[in-house]
Amino acid sequence: KQEVTQIPAALSVPEGENLVLNCSFTDSAIYNLQWFRQDPGKGLTSLLLIQSSQREQTSGRLNASLDKSSGRSTLYIAASQPGDSATYLCAANTGFQKLVFGTGTRLLVSP
Amino acid sequence: NAGVTQTPKFQVLKTGQSMTLQCAQDMNHEYMSWYRQDPGMGLRLIHYSVGAGITDQGEVPNGYNVSRSTTEDFPLRLLSAAPSQTSVYFCASSYGTGTLGEQYFGPGTRLTVT
Repeated sequence: KQEVTQIPAALSVPEGENLVLNCSFTDSAIYNLQWFRQDPGKGLTSLLLIQSSQREQTSGRLNASLDKSSGRSTLYIAASQPGDSATYLCAANTGFQKLVFGTGTRLLVSP
Repeated sequence: NAGVTQTPKFQVLKTGQSMTLQCAQDMNHEYMSWYRQDPGMGLRLIHYSVGAGITDQGEVPNGYNVSRSTTEDFPLRLLSAAPSQTSVYFCASSYGTGTLGEQYFGPGTRLTVT
């Protein structure tokens, strides 16, 4: 059974710092991995989707990497801003678009 | 496009009552799914559909029923509500797999069962 873990559970940084969020999964047989952002009381917003054949994807200040052999993905946020404060979720696609989620990293960026 | 829409936003039920959570998407997506989100447990898959007329169970299907008669709609039915079904429910959709596999989520329905 696929299990997804996110470390750390919470992170507090000053504005401007570069930061890395970690996601690990137990079964390397995934179709893709998706990173989401969730604001309090809101739905999920897709940030990046990495196919199983890809090593990384970039969107603006965000860069996500995928290493299937080690069961790890990282989300790199450059020059963090207070508006980046949210919970970040990673999810592994195990087939038929079935996602297995981690429990998230709650990020607080202070001005 | 409205994307993925869910109704209602909030609902309070008494134990034993039944209800249907509505989900619709206007992106012509084949894949649709329902998740529940509980504190400390992340999102868990309840049911999913790979196209009209085709549904299957996810990780936590007990107490829920689904059907998919059209591409656009994927309602989730609670047959006899229990306090353990208090949760936030999210509907998601995607066009396909591979590079088209990005999933889009609705705003959620917050359900309380007393």
